[in-house]
Amino acid sequence: GQNIDQPTEMTATEGAIVQINCTYQTSGFNGLFWYQQHAGEAPTFLSYNVLDGLEEKGRFSSFLSRSKGYSYLLLKELQMKDSASYLCAGGDSGAGSYQLTFGKGTKLSVIP
Amino acid sequence: EAQVTQNPRYLITVTGKKLTVTCSQNMNHEYMSWYRQDPGLGLRQIYYSMNVEVTDKGDVPEGYKVSRKEKRNFPLILESPSPNQTSLYFCASSFGSGISGNTIYFGEGSWLTVV
Repeated sequence: GQNIDQPTEMTATEGAIVQINCTYQTSGFNGLFWYQQHAGEAPTFLSYNVLDGLEEKGRFSSFLSRSKGYSYLLLKELQMKDSASYLCAGGDSGAGSYQLTFGKGTKLSVIP
Repeated sequence: EAQVTQNPRYLITVTGKKLTVTCSQNMNHEYMSWYRQDPGLGLRQIYYSMNVEVTDKGDVPEGYKVSRKEKRNFPLILESPSPNQTSLYFCASSFGSGISGNTIYFGEGSWLTVV
């Protein structure tokens, strides 16, 4: 299994940029995911990083540093609809298992 | 349309009465998984399956059983439900191992209350 930590809540202003951090500890790292989840709905896939560096997809970017056990999700030009929980999840293939462990999620509130 | 379908979506049941939550996917995915989501605890993996007849425990398997007799179906069985199993349950599926970077598709969730 893994330990995944991310802040519980964040607030940011519409139009601004926000960075959500995630740290992880794993025995057999196999990539890091970010998911978005609106209240009462299913999580939806945002990004996946397995190599160090920044992956950009429109307003959303995700960064990974394997040596530091660290990732972040960057959201630009924030919109009200970006108010949601953002889940960091790590893939672990240590000890012959293939587990995907989620952090507890960061609830982002976007305010006018 | 690519779908992961769970049933029932909402259920209130009594302690000890066996129930099954079904999950079906139409994408020919190898990997399927069950999660429960509780306030303050996030998504926790119950069981996962790498392919037909291959299942393994996640982080919180106690009180649950699964089976994978067909590729498309992965039911979650609560043999004797207890109130601490009241939760929101998600089924998920993907190609490959589930952690290889392929998009994981989630069902809409099943709200289960055990009284």
